[in-house]
Amino acid sequence: SQQGEEDPQALSIQEGENATMNCSYKTSINNLQWYRQNSGRGLVHLILIRSNEREKHSGRLRVTLDTSKKSSSLLITASRAADTASYFCATDGNNQGGKLIFGQGTELSVKP
Amino acid sequence: SQTIHQWPATLVQPVGSPLSLECTVEGTSNPNLYWYRQAAGRGLQLLFYSVGIGQISSEVPQNLSASRPQDRQFILSSKKLLLSDSGFYLCAWSLDSGVNGYTFGSGTRLTVV
Repeated sequence: SQQGEEDPQALSIQEGENATMNCSYKTSINNLQWYRQNSGRGLVHLILIRSNEREKHSGRLRVTLDTSKKSSSLLITASRAADTASYFCATDGNNQGGKLIFGQGTELSVKP
Repeated sequence: SQTIHQWPATLVQPVGSPLSLECTVEGTSNPNLYWYRQAAGRGLQLLFYSVGIGQISSEVPQNLSASRPQDRQFILSSKKLLLSDSGFYLCAWSLDSGVNGYTFGSGTRLTVV
């Protein structure tokens, strides 16, 4: 069953702009993770935020988590054409035994 | 260093033929191993996971099976492929039940014709 749902499904921006992607989930979690997937490739782990954290930064990435709303957002600042990819949130739920449940993803296109 | 190998990268198989996809992990011991399938433009669906040799859990009923004959080897199989088995198959590993994230292989694009 799907746990994380990303919004929007697709996002197109100009280089230099910020990109914000959102994720909503249904059950309580241990942590929420964001992954990136270039077309036809495997997923790459970007960042993990634990349930007791509200915000985390890694380079140009900023992740927030609101457990009361069961939602998270991924912000990519000063986007580059190389950021073009699909981005997925994945939840490690309390009753999932360590298995990650992935959302449908947001397809980001950054135009030079 | 830790790495994961998955092959082949692409595969075209006729309906009714058998399938064997292999995934091996290097540089770590006793990893949790996972097989995911990704339909075009969709998210990932967990097919199987394994916490140890010979230990396989199936997430969804389907035409596929998995085996873990060695600690760092995870195999996805089918005796007779269906058209609906087409998709992008991804192997992943984690330690500590994925608390620190998964590492994915490069995937296999399977087309059943």
